[in-house]
Amino acid sequence: EVQLVESGGGLVQPGGSLRLSCAASGFIFSTYSMNWVRQAPGKGLEWVSYISSSSSTIYYTNSVKGRFTISRDNAKNSLYLQMNSLRAEDTGVYYCARESWMDVWGQGTTVTVSS
Amino acid sequence: QLVLTQSPSASASLGASVKLTCTLSSGHSGYTIAWHQQQAEKGPRYLMKVNSDGSHTKGDGIPDRFSGSSSGAERYLTISSLQSEDEADYYCQTWGTGRVFGGGTKLTVL
Repeated sequence: EVQLVESGGGLVQPGGSLRLSCAASGFIFSTYSMNWVRQAPGKGLEWVSYISSSSSTIYYTNSVKGRFTISRDNAKNSLYLQMNSLRAEDTGVYYCARESWMDVWGQGTTVTVSS
Repeated sequence: QLVLTQSPSASASLGASVKLTCTLSSGHSGYTIAWHQQQAEKGPRYLMKVNSDGSHTKGDGIPDRFSGSSSGAERYLTISSLQSEDEADYYCQTWGTGRVFGGGTKLTVL
């Protein structure tokens, strides 16, 4: 079964850091690009970051540039999002999604930035 | 700038059909888009890709009631024989240098 499972969310104070992980199974992870997408409470979906299969191409949405870092370990079938200098507006559910057209989604992990 | 525009809401009766629209910004009418469904309190689910020629590729297990089409800069998602479980938010999405989502359409099944 093709599956993505996120972890690492939690409550963090403004200015703090978190590292999200996404474990992939059921497909050849190293051949697919990946994305992080978030959803603030009561809001729509917002793309956060993209990484190509070989990590050679990386994109970020403007609001997280310089604060978030996407990475992957193809040997461990895992995708990561290092989030630093967190702000209240980073609060939401974070999803990992496969490929540019996001044909497989994880169940999400919740990040809450609050003092 | 690559932008996707969706109507905020739509409604249709149980058993009827509904056509949701996603409009690509000027200069981007050749882009492929994807449709995603998000039921209440659940994560998103990929429905299909829709190309500029109207051809579409559905995800695994997506019922035949769901279909896609195109006209110019508009991409459509048609749901026929509406069921109660089709009540959800529907997002279109595309990709270029970055990835872009439309604002979503909240579908109510009456």
